[in-house]
Amino acid sequence: GIQVEQSPPDLILQEGANSTLRCNFSDSVNNLQWFHQNPWGQLINLFYIPSGTKQNGRLSATTVATERYSLLYISSSQTTDSGVYFCAGDSGGYNKLIFGAGTRLAVHP
Amino acid sequence: DAGVTQSPTHLIKTRGQQVTLRCSPISGHKSVSWYQQVLGQGPQFIFQYYEKEERGRGNFPDRFSARQFPNYSSELNVNALLLGDSALYLCASSLAGTSGNTIYFGEGSWLTVV
Repeated sequence: GIQVEQSPPDLILQEGANSTLRCNFSDSVNNLQWFHQNPWGQLINLFYIPSGTKQNGRLSATTVATERYSLLYISSSQTTDSGVYFCAGDSGGYNKLIFGAGTRLAVHP
Repeated sequence: DAGVTQSPTHLIKTRGQQVTLRCSPISGHKSVSWYQQVLGQGPQFIFQYYEKEERGRGNFPDRFSARQFPNYSSELNVNALLLGDSALYLCASSLAGTSGNTIYFGEGSWLTVV
């Protein structure tokens, strides 16, 4: 099956800083999505982004499907951005998402 | 509209017991998937159901089973609980069972096996 590698594994920022999170896939994937898991465990869908670029407020994401990677940009970070960011995709076409190990982000005031 | 709802939110079971977790998808969504998330790791796929049929199964033992009801809600059952089954169990829903759909997760059920 596909392997999903996320980097960096841990990230500490001061409020207001910008950051880039990366997700590499070992093979072509469908259904690429980014999630934020809050401290209470809920996974919030940030982007469905199989290719191209999308923006939502301070967050944006870019997927280069031909090179099998995706990037999540966080600008002007806030303490509420803290948590774990996961990317996930499927290769079989049936929403069987394979997740990376996540990037643990801590934003300090 | 309500999001994906799961129950119970927290539960403690003893080794060897059985547990049933419940999930109601977003209204209009016909696909439900179940994931297990062990502390410090990403979620792992357990099952996917679409239109009441199993469409996918992850690498989990037969102690894990699930079903989807005519109203598209779903139950996950785990028999003969082991300590290693302690995890956050997440339910996800999407419009259809194929790729190309945004996937939404519920708040999860925290299971502790003692």
